[in-house]
Amino acid sequence: GAGVSQTPSNKVTEKGKYVELRCDPISGHTALYWYRQSLGQGPEFLIYFQGTGAADDSGLPNDRFFAVRPEGSVSTLKIQRTERGDSAVYLCASSPSPSGRDGGELFFGEGSRLTVL
Amino acid sequence: GENVEQHPSTLSVQEGDSAVIKCTYSDSASNYFPWYKQELGKGPQLIIDIRSNVGEKKDQRIAVTLNKTAKHFSLHITETQPEDSAVYFCAASIRKTSYDKVIFGPGTSLSVIP
Repeated sequence: GAGVSQTPSNKVTEKGKYVELRCDPISGHTALYWYRQSLGQGPEFLIYFQGTGAADDSGLPNDRFFAVRPEGSVSTLKIQRTERGDSAVYLCASSPSPSGRDGGELFFGEGSRLTVL
Repeated sequence: GENVEQHPSTLSVQEGDSAVIKCTYSDSASNYFPWYKQELGKGPQLIIDIRSNVGEKKDQRIAVTLNKTAKHFSLHITETQPEDSAVYFCAASIRKTSYDKVIFGPGTSLSVIP
């Protein structure tokens, strides 16, 4: 398919473990975003990449969260020492140009549901 | 601060009736207001958006209105159908140096009763 692909779709882990979530954006989209969605809430911004660099990481909740996009395409969100409060759906989105600007529509993946026991 | 409020949180309408969802935003510099529809187990999908140089935009059964002075914007769905049942999110942009961060409201769960 041509959409944003996220893996795994579901991840169950134990408190204290390390987790990686992967996002494969739409081909050619230079902008990539991670959002977190808790049950019954709207998506909450985490980080924005333009190309390989994190242009805005102001939404990362603490230093246990880190994201990379080494080649300007696939991105990985990494969570260390997971806590029960990290349980949520992690959404990735991409856009052909920066969001909010002309052509900057966000295309979302289906998300990775993380459950920390 | 960066905040988008949305009402109501749940909405139930009879098929064929209209549905209205209202949002307010806090940043007077916001100039981009998208609306997303999210079905169960799926990611949000853009259904319509409006920019601050326009007061109203319509696409078939969906219309959005924007009042920049009052910092209000609304989504109107006419002739609702069961397939319109989903969670709807309004969003507003926050101007940054190289992009506009999109922040979302808490969502409205719409149920259309056949």
